[in-house]
Amino acid sequence: DGGITQSPKYLFRKEGQNVTLSCEQNLNHDAMYWYRQDPGQGLRLIYYSHIVNDFQKGDIAEGYSVSREKKESFPLTVTSAQKNPTAFYLCASSPRTGLEFYEQYFGPGTRLTVT
Amino acid sequence: DQQVKQNSPSLSVQEGRISILNCDYTNSMFDYFLWYKKYPAEGPTFLISISSIKDKNEDGRFTVFLNKSAKHLSLHIVPSQPGDSAVYFCAAVQAGGTSYGKLTFGQGTILTVHP
Repeated sequence: DGGITQSPKYLFRKEGQNVTLSCEQNLNHDAMYWYRQDPGQGLRLIYYSHIVNDFQKGDIAEGYSVSREKKESFPLTVTSAQKNPTAFYLCASSPRTGLEFYEQYFGPGTRLTVT
Repeated sequence: DQQVKQNSPSLSVQEGRISILNCDYTNSMFDYFLWYKKYPAEGPTFLISISSIKDKNEDGRFTVFLNKSAKHLSLHIVPSQPGDSAVYFCAAVQAGGTSYGKLTFGQGTILTVHP
């Protein structure tokens, strides 16, 4: 079965620690995305990558970093510089061509709590 | 600056009746619109989309209407079923522009369908 895997589902960290969220897809999609969802708000784009070894900042990239060394993987690091890291983080992927480019497939999400 | 707005945080309907979810946008460059459905603690799943060259797109019980002059779209679910209870997000993108798959999401509307 093709899909997107995010692990872990729940993550707890102490303030000041960096934490890396995993995202793996076996859909053979070129494009991958990271979003953040906060209560009562829509999804906000953190970073995106349309091809291996290339990625771009989204609307709220400050305090986050990513890498795209493999097509299947797009890990997100939440650094200690992120002021409000507690949130629900969603990874998505899509083909790079056609209107399916916009019909992104989402993973199950990781809920990060920083205390 | 909220470019995509869903002004109703929640909607409650009776099973079998019509559910109408609304979405407004301000950016006239948006030309492709999508609806996603999200269950708690899961990632959103793509539901239906519409291009700005159309004013209606139908898929089974789901129909999306687009009024470009009013910058308004709506999702109709007929008949509504208890399994439709979820959060519904609308999203917009400037397809073919330099947006590179950057979807702009609304805040979401919680739909509850009562048996």
